[in-house]
Amino acid sequence: AQSVTQLGSHVSVSEGALVLLRCNYSSSVPPYLFWYVQYPNQGLQLLLKYTSAATLVKGINGFEAEFKKSETSFHLTKPSAHMSDAAEYFCAVSSPRLFSGGYNKLIFGAGTRLAVHP
Amino acid sequence: DTAVSQTPKYLVTQMGNDKSIKCEQNLGHDTMYWYKQDSKKFLKIMFSYNNKELIINETVPNRFSPKSPDKAHLNLHINSLELGDSAVYFCASSQVAGREDYGYTFGSGTRLTVV
Repeated sequence: AQSVTQLGSHVSVSEGALVLLRCNYSSSVPPYLFWYVQYPNQGLQLLLKYTSAATLVKGINGFEAEFKKSETSFHLTKPSAHMSDAAEYFCAVSSPRLFSGGYNKLIFGAGTRLAVHP
Repeated sequence: DTAVSQTPKYLVTQMGNDKSIKCEQNLGHDTMYWYKQDSKKFLKIMFSYNNKELIINETVPNRFSPKSPDKAHLNLHINSLELGDSAVYFCASSQVAGREDYGYTFGSGTRLTVV
């Protein structure tokens, strides 16, 4: 079974500061990992994804994440926070059907709310 | 053009009523999903259809019945609505057939409030 743990339900940073949102996964097969962002009253938008290619993945809006198999982590970072980054961020795990033995489904973490203050 | 569209965006109804939420995708994807997001923002999969065939059916009360008339549409019908059904329901789609790495495309959600 796969699962995702996001450490910290709320993270607050100053504008211009480093953003670090933590995600640890559990999977017995090679995972696909995703970060989604949800702005208030909107749907989820894909930020970036890891699909077994480069371990450092760059996404939209200046975000990036690094897959670390030894730590089972996929933390999301951004060097300099902007006010517009305030949103809910979700880490999710899936896997190729070849390994999962069945139909793929995306398992989400509980989410981390990022607040950015001036 | 909206890739995954849901209607209505907001739905307020009384306990005991029956309601439907509609979802349509114009991406040509084979697979569609319904997710429920509770008041704490937790997202949980409910159902998935692949080419009109039900492939994922999580532990959901049988008051919830999905229907897929074709692979571009997945509707959710809820009978005898209860207060606990209040949530935001998201429709999503994805390509299957070896492209699980694409992730999902989500609709903007339907906020259901049962009073």
